[in-house]
Amino acid sequence: GAVVSQHPSWVICKSGTSVKIECRSLDFQATTMFWYRQFPKQSLMLMATSNEGSKATYEQGVEKDKFLINHASLTLSTLTVTSAHPEDSSFYICSAIRTSGSEDTQYFGPGTRLTVL
Amino acid sequence: AQSVTQLDSHVSVSEGTPVLLRCNYSSSYSPSLFWYVQHPNKGLQLLLKYTSAATLVKGINGFEAEFKKSETSFHLTKPSAHMSDAAEYFCVVSGRAGRRALTFGSGTRLQVQP
Repeated sequence: GAVVSQHPSWVICKSGTSVKIECRSLDFQATTMFWYRQFPKQSLMLMATSNEGSKATYEQGVEKDKFLINHASLTLSTLTVTSAHPEDSSFYICSAIRTSGSEDTQYFGPGTRLTVL
Repeated sequence: AQSVTQLDSHVSVSEGTPVLLRCNYSSSYSPSLFWYVQHPNKGLQLLLKYTSAATLVKGINGFEAEFKKSETSFHLTKPSAHMSDAAEYFCVVSGRAGRRALTFGSGTRLQVQP
């Protein structure tokens, strides 16, 4: 099956610093990727839609200047958490759309656990 | 707008007994529905999906789900639970055509007792 990777798998940073998370589709090209956030014992919440070659679309309540998304190639999207604070600590999960014929399938990365001290 | 409600936050079954995880959806159009499983420290894995074809959908690992429009339900079942089925399960609905982001239910934690 299709594989989506994330790097790093976990990161600990100090409050006020920025952290970049990478999401790669390893064996297919993805013009659309999504970024989700999952707080402990909660469900996934969509943060933004990442479109290759254009600006990301953010969900209501998600600060675009805090969560910078770049989708510079068909296999890579990055999420940068700027000036991170403890409340940004969460599990960040990306997904990538693989299109086969007229069918889209969404594949998820393994997630990145961010802890802000 | 669309939404999903998973009726049980936690389900516990004995190994070898049937599994039923309940999901109701709300959508103003014909939805695509999915069940995903999340094992600890692993990524989300697609179990099965419904996209307006057969209403009874068979997935991996012996799971299946039935789309019932009259009841707006998409319950997940398995005839016989295995210890390896213990995980978090999410019922998911897709956005309208052209917007493929997924809306996740709150999740059901399945515990399988030996």
